[in-house]
Parts: sequence; structure tokens; C-alpha cells
Amino acid sequence: AQSVTQPDIHITVSEGASLELRCNYSYGATPYLFWYVQSPGQGLQLLLKYFSGDTLVQGIKGFEAEFKRSQSSFNLRKPSVHWSDAAEYFCAVPMNTGFQKLVFGTGTRLLVSP
Amino acid sequence: DTEVTQTPKHLVMGMTNKKSLKCEQHMGHRAMYWYKQKAKKPPELMFVYSYEKLSINESVPSRFSPECPNSSLLNLHLHALQPEDSALYLCASSQVRTYTDTQYFGPGTRLTVL
Repeated sequence: AQSVTQPDIHITVSEGASLELRCNYSYGATPYLFWYVQSPGQGLQLLLKYFSGDTLVQGIKGFEAEFKRSQSSFNLRKPSVHWSDAAEYFCAVPMNTGFQKLVFGTGTRLLVSP
Repeated sequence: DTEVTQTPKHLVMGMTNKKSLKCEQHMGHRAMYWYKQKAKKPPELMFVYSYEKLSINESVPSRFSPECPNSSLLNLHLHALQPEDSALYLCASSQVRTYTDTQYFGPGTRLTVL
């Protein structure tokens, strides 16, 4: 079954520094992959998604992610982090069950230091 | 308009109370979802409605009773809850039930069961 792993529970980045959040997937075929962000006490917002084609995907808020089949990864990146980016980030994959059941990774909490 | 609204934002209830959570979307989506999210955990799917019919029940206890009165509205009726049911309840909607559809999430209802 499809699954995603986010190996980092939390990451601290200085404001203005670059960011990379890791997501590894487990699936034989090319998966569909999503990145969501959740600000404290809020719902989830889609940052970007990958289905096929260009392996570098651009999202909202200056985020991008690169699909690497050889590494089974879909890491999220941002060149310069802003304090407002502090949030929980979830990688997700839909299960192949005939309906869209999203399975989320355990999440990575991003802390931004001044 | 890509907004999913949820009411109330916060709810405190006793174990003998009956309450309801409400979710609304006006994006013309025909799939709607309820998720439960415990603190520091990813969301977990509870129910999926497709074309106003319950498609998926992820073995949720009967003290949670979903209802979809029309294509824009989704309710979650609560009765005889336990303290361990305290969580953030998220509603989401999507265009149709395929892997490529984006789920749009509401801000959630923070439920506390005393």
C-alpha cells in the first residue's frame, strides 16, 4: 500500500535561510503526491501537487518540490523562509482504493528563528 | 471561491450532550469528507460522502453520525462522546472522486469533551 514518511519531526530555520523538508514515498508505480501546510489551530492548505510530467513542481507562497524516482522522494523547498512560514507541513498520498482517501505523513513542524 | 466553512470554531460538551458540527461549501464539489485530528498527529479520515451518499465509514463509532442533507452541506452529529474524542474535526470537499482531485479543507472545529 502507498505510504509516505516524513523523517524530520521538527526543523528550525533562520528567517531568510533556505528550507528543505523531506518526504519519502513507498509505492511501485508513479505516485500522486501532495504537500499541505497547517498553521496552528487551522485547517490544511494545499501547497502543491505532483501527478506526472515535469518533476519540479511550483506551488503557492514560493514553495517548490522535486519528484525524484531514484530516491523515492518528494522534498519541499523554499529559497528564503519567512517567519509566517512557521507551521506544520504534511506530505500526503491518495490510497488506491477507488476513492480519494488521503494518507498523510506524520508531519514536520517548521520553526523559524529571527 | 475556494472556501470551506465550519461552525462552530470551538465546542465544549459533556459526555451526555448531543451536539452537531456543520460544514458548508459552495464550490460545486460533490465529495465531502470528515477528518479527525489529534494534537501533533496527522488528520485521519472518518467519513466520505459522494453525491450526498455515504461512501466510506472508516470504522467510526456510532456515537458519531454524519449527515449530508444536500450537496453543499455536511453535518456531524455527536452523542455520548468520550473525553478521548476531543480533537480538531476537519471538513474537506473535492470536485469528484478521483486521485487527482484536490481536497479543500475548512478551518476545523476544536472539540473538547469533558
